[in-house]
Amino acid sequence: DGGITQSPKYLFRKEGQNVTLSCEQNLNHDAMYWYRQDPGQGLRLIYYSQIVNDFQKGDIAEGYSVSREKKESFPLTVTSAQKNPTAFYLCASFDSYNEQFFGPGTRLTVL
Amino acid sequence: AQSVSQHNHHVILSEAASLELGCNYSYGGTVNLFWYVQYPGQHLQLLLKYFSGDPLVKGIKGFEAEFIKSKFSFNLRKPSVQWSDTAEYFCAVSRDDKIIFGKGTRLHILP
Repeated sequence: DGGITQSPKYLFRKEGQNVTLSCEQNLNHDAMYWYRQDPGQGLRLIYYSQIVNDFQKGDIAEGYSVSREKKESFPLTVTSAQKNPTAFYLCASFDSYNEQFFGPGTRLTVL
Repeated sequence: AQSVSQHNHHVILSEAASLELGCNYSYGGTVNLFWYVQYPGQHLQLLLKYFSGDPLVKGIKGFEAEFIKSKFSFNLRKPSVQWSDTAEYFCAVSRDDKIIFGKGTRLHILP
């Protein structure tokens, strides 16, 4: 059953701690994306990767980092430099027909 | 700045009313256009997409959208809404490597 998995569904961290959100896909897609969803803000692009070992900043990359060591995996680290990290994070992948597939999301709460 | 604008942030309609949600984008050149829907507590789902050809696109659940190139618009329509259409709707534009979303429109259908 192909798709995108994100874990965990809910994540709690103390202020000042880095936290890494997992995103895995078995769709064999080259392109993967991270978005942040806040009420009234839509989805804002954090980082994206078109190919293994390469990634680009999106519109709100400050305070985040990513890696793309494998085609299947695109983890996002929310660092202590991110001023307002509490949000819903969505991972997506993109097929050759320009259609995006979304994971179920991770809701991060920083206490 | 390049952007995607959804003019209606919150729409309230009665069942059987007609729906039109506006979407404008500011990118020049060739773009691909999408409408996504997010039902309460669920993943983002693709409603419809436009890549080329007939500018009137039909999607799932009776939705359609019309691409008007001269107006940089891709408005979503449905002739008769149902209570189950209550959701948040996102317009998105892909160009080059990036997919950019509008801020979303919350649609509330009164039974």
